[in-house]
Amino acid sequence: EAEVAQSPRYKITEKSQAVAFWCDPISGHATLYWYRQILGQGPELLVQFQDESVVDDSQLPKDRFSAERLKGVDSTLKIQPAELGDSAMYLCASSSRGVGGEQYFGPGTRLTVT
Amino acid sequence: EDQVTQSPEALRLQEGESSSLNCSYTVSGLRGLFWYRQDPGKGPEFLFTLYSAGEEKEKERLKATLTKKESFLHITAPKPEDSATYLCAVQAGDSWGKLQFGAGTQVVVTP
Repeated sequence: EAEVAQSPRYKITEKSQAVAFWCDPISGHATLYWYRQILGQGPELLVQFQDESVVDDSQLPKDRFSAERLKGVDSTLKIQPAELGDSAMYLCASSSRGVGGEQYFGPGTRLTVT
Repeated sequence: EDQVTQSPEALRLQEGESSSLNCSYTVSGLRGLFWYRQDPGKGPEFLFTLYSAGEEKEKERLKATLTKKESFLHITAPKPEDSATYLCAVQAGDSWGKLQFGAGTQVVVTP
C-alpha cells in the first residue's frame, strides 16, 4: 500500500537554529499539503502545492518559514530561525486531486524547540 | 469564516457500549466532510468522505452520517482497538482543497 514518507520523525533544535523537514508523497499525487498540529488541536494548513506551484500559503509565516517542491514530487519545509512556539507536529499529506479528494497523511515530524 | 466544532472533547466507553460523536460545521459551499482517526504520535488515517446531506458510509464498527449542519460518527459495539482521537474536517468550495479541522474527540474504550 502506497504511503506518504516523512523525515526525520523527530527533531530537537535550539531556538534561532534552522530546521528542515522532507516529504515524499504517494506516487502520482499532484497535490501536496503541509499542516502543523499543536497538541490537543486539529491540523492547520501551512502551504498547499499543485504540482510545483504554491496555490495556498496564506497561513504560512513567511518571515521564517519557506517551502518548495521543485520538481513537483517531493517537498521540503524549512524554518529559520526556529522559535519556541514552533514546537509541534508537522504533517505532510497528498491527494490525487485538490477539491473533493481524500488527503493521505504521513507519520509526521515531531519538532521540539528548546 | 468556516468553523468546525466537535463534541464531546473526550469520551470513555466500556467495550460493547455504542455511542456517537458529533461534528457541527459552518462553511461556505461544502465540497466534502472528512473523518480521520489519529493514534498518539501518528498522522491522521483517512476513514470517510461525505459529500451531500443524507449520505451515509460504513466501515466495520464505524458509520458516518451527514446533514446540512452536522455529521455524526457512530461507533457500534466498540473494542479497545477503537481507542483513538477522531478528527472531523470540512473542505470549502472557495478553497483549493485545504481541510479545516475540528479539535477532535478523544475516545477511550476499556475492556
